[in-house]
Amino acid sequence: SQTIHQWPATLVQPVGSPLSLECTVEGTSNPNLYWYRQAAGRGLQLLFYSVGIGQISSEVPQNLSASRPQDRQFILSSKKLLLSDSGFYLCAWNPGAKVYEQFFGPGTRLTVL
Amino acid sequence: AQSVTQLDSHVSVSEGTPVLLRCNYSSSYSPSLFWYVQHPNKGLQLLLKYTSAATLVKGINGFEAEFKKSETSFHLTKPSAHMSDAAEYFCVVRGNDYKLSFGAGTTVTVRA
Repeated sequence: SQTIHQWPATLVQPVGSPLSLECTVEGTSNPNLYWYRQAAGRGLQLLFYSVGIGQISSEVPQNLSASRPQDRQFILSSKKLLLSDSGFYLCAWNPGAKVYEQFFGPGTRLTVL
Repeated sequence: AQSVTQLDSHVSVSEGTPVLLRCNYSSSYSPSLFWYVQHPNKGLQLLLKYTSAATLVKGINGFEAEFKKSETSFHLTKPSAHMSDAAEYFCVVRGNDYKLSFGAGTTVTVRA
């Protein structure tokens, strides 16, 4: 069966510091991968998605970036965090091939102080 | 473009009574629709999905939803609420390129 992992689970970072969040999927190959952010009272916002290694599409211009160095690894980064980057970050995967539902990881709670 | 509107931002029910969460959708093609649940500080869990098969869809934990094309609705119901059903619920429609379009969410509170 497939499993999705995210780490860390929680993170407190000062403004201006860098960020690296990691997501990995087990038990499947060539998944579509997604990064979402949930800010308080603002619903889910799609940040990035990837259909393959090295292929990243950005949905919202911001100071975040994403990379997919391996087939089942998706990384969210920032060089300098802003207060507005605080939120709950969710990674999700989808098998493609006419299957449209996404399967979500446990999330990372990021607080920028 | 595909979109969903969740008609209630907050629903409060007593334990053991029915739950109804309302969702209307807009889609330019035959929709795939989903309901997800999110407990506090957790990821989203798929409750059920509609993909043009039976219009009454049964999901996990006793939830079901009915697809009504004439009303462009996909309401979620459960006959008897349990305390563990307290969570946020998202109605979701398939968008382009394997992306999803999420509703704003409905927070369910269950009173003892």
